[in-house]
Amino acid sequence: QKEVEQDPGPLSVPEGAIVSLNCTYSNSAFQYFMWYRQYSRKGPELLMYTYSSGNKEDGRFTAQVDKSSKYISLFIRDSQPSDSATYLCAMSVYNFNKFYFGSGTKLNVKP
Amino acid sequence: DTGVSQNPRHKITKRGQNVTFRCDPISEHNRLYWYRQTLGQGPEFLTYFQNEAQLEKSRLLSDRFSAERPKGSFSTLEIQRTEQGDSAMYLCASSLHRDRGGTGELFFGEGSRLTVL
Repeated sequence: QKEVEQDPGPLSVPEGAIVSLNCTYSNSAFQYFMWYRQYSRKGPELLMYTYSSGNKEDGRFTAQVDKSSKYISLFIRDSQPSDSATYLCAMSVYNFNKFYFGSGTKLNVKP
Repeated sequence: DTGVSQNPRHKITKRGQNVTFRCDPISEHNRLYWYRQTLGQGPEFLTYFQNEAQLEKSRLLSDRFSAERPKGSFSTLEIQRTEQGDSAMYLCASSLHRDRGGTGELFFGEGSRLTVL
């Protein structure tokens, strides 16, 4: 079993839709949770960073962490074609010695 | 500072040749990580440095792979006797650890794509 599971998609939505992206994990020691956006043939770009359980909002993006269920989510409101990319979740234990990534969900926002 | 810089961006080599990738991290960051990413997969951890010390290596890092970070600045990742299975994107990331007042998240470079023929 992988440490982090993520549905690979692809997920196709119309412009303006609310997008929900999710990851589950098995290691209860994970404390730090991140979402990255990766365009084709580019490096991952950090979108959201949260510690422990709770919600964090930044513009059109909201990250949620439910440690009791070992489940994290990223919501994108008013999705735009420029949001079309692969979204990676990542998580780490307290000392950041390594980060574990999901396999990525490919999102396509249609104009 | 413009972020993490990686060179070359793309390397095509023949099987059996040696290749070296360079990473220049964000200047104040004390940690530097190497990851490998294949098509349709998330990045896989290879190794990381805190300053000049290599603190952890993945089992994925066979004896053909070596990484260095002299003086705790830039880092190099060398692959000897390349195999077709080494074809991947090699990603470098840096972070400012909490012990230096940072929050620990990774900032990635654009990656170095390796194609082994």
